Amino acid sequence: EVQLVESGGDLVQPGGSLRLSCAASGFTFSNHWMHWVRQAPGKGLVWVSRIKSDGSIINYAESVEGRFTISRDNAKNTLYLQMNSLRVEDTAIYYCARDTASWYFDLWGRGTLVTVSS
Amino acid sequence: DIVMTQSPDSLAVSLGERATINCKSSQSVLYSPNNRNYLSWYQQKPGQPPKLLIYWASTRESGVPDRFSGSGSGTDFTLTISSLQPDDVAVYYCQQYGYTPRTFGQGTKVEI
Repeated sequence: EVQLVESGGDLVQPGGSLRLSCAASGFTFSNHWMHWVRQAPGKGLVWVSRIKSDGSIINYAESVEGRFTISRDNAKNTLYLQMNSLRVEDTAIYYCARDTASWYFDLWGRGTLVTVSS
Repeated sequence: DIVMTQSPDSLAVSLGERATINCKSSQSVLYSPNNRNYLSWYQQKPGQPPKLLIYWASTRESGVPDRFSGSGSGTDFTLTISSLQPDDVAVYYCQQYGYTPRTFGQGTKVEI
């Protein structure tokens, strides 16, 4: 089955760190750019970061630049998001999404919840 | 960044009636060399991830019912549900994917 499964979400204190994972299966992971998108409780979708298929190009939203690091391990078919210096406003469900060769997102995981609170 | 603005924020439509959602981008998402609009629509039901409905502004994703259609070009786009079904109750988002950062509209909640 073609799917993405996120994990690693948790309750963390402000200033803390967390690493999210996104396990891909059912398709050739190394052929696709991948993205992280987040959704605060009751709010809309916000793009966070993307990484090229070979990891050579990376971009971040301004709100997370310098605090979050996206990476991937194509041998393990896994996408990561290292989140440091977490803030209350980073509280959200974090989704990973697959980029098609035409740039739109055609596959999403079910998400993992990150809660930043003291 | 390109700002995507949807209207209305919510709408209530009777079963079998038409629902129309608008999306406006702060700059054109039409790429002249290939004459394609880098605009997609997603449906999100409560507790679920977004689901791709439409890409290239008007191309329906495989498996999406033909009551869903997309139109528009440049900066103004529309998602139409021709005959609303109970399963269509959801929040709908437009997204531009021609520029980074990718940006989404704020969402439109469709109710019966």
